[in-house]
Amino acid sequence: KNEVEQSPQNLTAQEGEFITINCSYSVGISALHWLQQHPGGGIVSLFMLSSGKKKHGRLIATINIQEKHSSLHITASHPRDSAVYICAVDSGSNYKLTFGKGTLLTVNP
Amino acid sequence: NAGVMQNPRHLVRRRGQEARLRCSPMKGHSHVYWYRQLPEEGLKFMVYLQKENIIDESGMPKERFSAEFPKEGPSILRIQQVVRGDSAAYFCASSPQGSTDTQYFGPGTRLTVL
Repeated sequence: KNEVEQSPQNLTAQEGEFITINCSYSVGISALHWLQQHPGGGIVSLFMLSSGKKKHGRLIATINIQEKHSSLHITASHPRDSAVYICAVDSGSNYKLTFGKGTLLTVNP
Repeated sequence: NAGVMQNPRHLVRRRGQEARLRCSPMKGHSHVYWYRQLPEEGLKFMVYLQKENIIDESGMPKERFSAEFPKEGPSILRIQQVVRGDSAAYFCASSPQGSTDTQYFGPGTRLTVL
């Protein structure tokens, strides 16, 4: 069983919809990261969080340490949000990340 | 302010050849991490280096793979005698000072072994 599980694997939405991507992990962590990978492969770090909630533009990330669960929300989704969203955890090494397999989001106009 | 640079972006090798992947960290970053993304798999940690030091290579295959980050120049991931199973995307990331800082990723090198 992967230490980091994401759901759903694939998600298709219509422009404007509210999107939620989930991440569950089975180990103790010091931080959780959300990353975005566009077609063509470049990876961008969206959030790093260890508690609570962070917001950046239309993106919101939350984490519940007790339940070992995090969610990434996208409000008013847009076709340019189409990408693979990856959850990764730091189990305390402070440098080694363990990744989920990613969620492929497609937003149709 | 250039980001993390990797070259080549695409590399094709025949079985048995050597592959050299280069990573130039962001200016001012002295910590480099290499990750591998196999087809249909998530990213996997390979190695963490600081200038002239390998800090953690626990994710590197024991044979044929090596990494270095010299005092001058880019970090190099070297794969000797490549096999088809080495075909993957290899990403490097850098951070300014260890640990808790966000890692900035390069665009990746896509290695195809024929």
